[in-house]
Amino acid sequence: SQTIHQWPATLVQPVGSPLSLECTVEGTSNPNLYWYRQAAGRGLQLLFYSVGIGQISSEVPQNLSASRPQDRQFILSSKKLLLSDSGFYLCAWDRSGSNTEAFFGQGTRLTVV
Amino acid sequence: GENVEQHPSTLSVQEGDSAVIKCTYSDSASNYFPWYKQELGKGPQLIIDIRSNVGEKKDQRIAVTLNKTAKHFSLHITETQPEDSAVYFCAPLDPGTYKYIFGTGTRLKVLA
Repeated sequence: SQTIHQWPATLVQPVGSPLSLECTVEGTSNPNLYWYRQAAGRGLQLLFYSVGIGQISSEVPQNLSASRPQDRQFILSSKKLLLSDSGFYLCAWDRSGSNTEAFFGQGTRLTVV
Repeated sequence: GENVEQHPSTLSVQEGDSAVIKCTYSDSASNYFPWYKQELGKGPQLIIDIRSNVGEKKDQRIAVTLNKTAKHFSLHITETQPEDSAVYFCAPLDPGTYKYIFGTGTRLKVLA
């Protein structure tokens, strides 16, 4: 069966510090991968999506970046965090080439102080 | 691109009553319409979905109805229970980009 792992679960970082959130998927190959951000009490904002290794599309200009060094690994990074980067970050995957369910990780609660 | 609106933003019902959440979309070519449930501090999980070739789908106490002419689909929960309390999102698939466009969410509270 397929599983998605996302870590860490919670993170408190000072303004100006770097960020690295990691997401891995097991049990499938060539998935589409997504990073979403959810502000408190709000909907999901798509940040990045990837249809293959090294292929990253950015949805919103910001100080965040994403990388996909391996087929089932998706990393969200920042060189210098801003207060506005606080939020709940969710990684997700779905099967390439089909309109099917998206599977979400458990999320990372990031607080920038 | 696809524009999605979801109503209401909050909904309180008495235990045992029904709840209905509506989602409207703009792209008539959309063909996949899922509903997700998000519990506090967790990622969303699919609870039911429907494709454009059917008008209604039911799974025990949960149903989804689709009106392609009016471009809206609705989530129906009958005999609500306290564990149904959560935030619900619609997320139609944008046929142009194959990305899910999430609604703004509905916070459902089931009062015991």
